[in-house]
Amino acid sequence: SAVISQKPSRDICQRGTSLTIQCQVDSQVTMMFWYRQQPGQSLTLIATANQGSEATYESGFVIDKFPISRPNLTFSTLTVSNMSPEDSSIYLCSVGGDSSGANVLTFGAGSRLTVL
Amino acid sequence: QKEVEQNSGPLSVPEGAIASLNCTYSDRVSQSFFWYRQYSGKSPELIMSIYSNGDKEDGRFTAQLNKASQYVSLLIRDSQPSDSATYLCAADTGRRALTFGSGTRLQVQP
Repeated sequence: SAVISQKPSRDICQRGTSLTIQCQVDSQVTMMFWYRQQPGQSLTLIATANQGSEATYESGFVIDKFPISRPNLTFSTLTVSNMSPEDSSIYLCSVGGDSSGANVLTFGAGSRLTVL
Repeated sequence: QKEVEQNSGPLSVPEGAIASLNCTYSDRVSQSFFWYRQYSGKSPELIMSIYSNGDKEDGRFTAQLNKASQYVSLLIRDSQPSDSATYLCAADTGRRALTFGSGTRLQVQP
């Protein structure tokens, strides 16, 4: 399965600032996804990062708050804009698909953000 | 109604016992199901996938799927303290990403 490098692994941020999380994959992948895991909660899909086009956002998530880039098939970024304490969460990059075509997801180590 | 539902637990079992984790889903479009294990402070890791009705065994783990009842389960035989983690059930609802349940916390008592 793909190896995913995600950074930063953690950060403490001030209210009102923005932070960009990077996700690098060791192979070309078609599907890349960004999830959020709030404290004590399960994973919620933020958006699908599409190469060469705008990301596809889930209900409750908007591009102005979570802009995403996908310049090529191995890299994506997620920005958390104008942060508030409610954005304190773990943000996870994931890639999908295996050799059989099944939609198996592999996750990066996650970026733990604390907003003060 | 949540698309994938799990009991949050904690489910506590003694070492060596069978742990049974359950999951129901609401979208009949779902065809593929996955169990992920997540240790505290770590990212989820895949332990089992199941696509057809019936049982699928892999070592100490058995996944069971019943599409008529919209029910997925995971059995862990000979449970070990190292199995203590949160287990996430996920379904592929056709959106190419997975929908996750809230997770069941398993505690294996030595």
